[in-house]
Amino acid sequence: EDQVTQSPEALRLQEGESSSLNCSYTVSGLRGLFWYRQDPGKGPEFLFTLYSAGEEKEKERLKATLTKKESFLHITAPKPEDSATYLCAVRPGYALNFGKGTSLLVTP
Amino acid sequence: DTGVSQDPRHKITKRGQNVTFRCDPISEHNRLYWYRQTLGQGPEFLTYFQNEAQLEKSRLLSDRFSAERPKGSFSTLEIQRTEQGDSAMYLCASSPRTGGGGELFFGEGSRLTVL
Repeated sequence: EDQVTQSPEALRLQEGESSSLNCSYTVSGLRGLFWYRQDPGKGPEFLFTLYSAGEEKEKERLKATLTKKESFLHITAPKPEDSATYLCAVRPGYALNFGKGTSLLVTP
Repeated sequence: DTGVSQDPRHKITKRGQNVTFRCDPISEHNRLYWYRQTLGQGPEFLTYFQNEAQLEKSRLLSDRFSAERPKGSFSTLEIQRTEQGDSAMYLCASSPRTGGGGELFFGEGSRLTVL
């Protein structure tokens, strides 16, 4: 069964302290690895799609990378407004299967 | 606002009652998804529509759950004989196509509390 495991479950950073979130996946035939951001009480918001090992995508302070077994979401010099839950997902069929997410808190 | 709209945003009901949630997707999107999310968990897939056809259902979707999308526009998710375990956020998402960038546009969800 296609699975996604995210770590850590929670991460607390000081403003400006760079770090990475991990997403390990097992899927029979990768049809995309997806990253979403979710703020409390809101629906997830799309960030990136990665399709092949070695691919990288960037958006502001976020950079997503992909290997054959895992993806990383690198956060460079985070700001308090980056605080959110970050979800990764794979697509075994029509829909996305999400991990449990990493809850990120960035303090001033 | 042209985003995905869900109604009601909050619903409190007693165990055994039926509840119905409505989702209005982005108008040009023909793909529609329902997810359920509990605290500390990622969204769990429930069902998927392409236009009016329900093409995929999760094993999580028990017989008490039914979803429709008449005329391929809005969708409803009904839960019959609610149980306390049904308490969750029910999220609707839409997308314009499959095989694309995987970008689902989510609504803000309908939070269900079963007493």
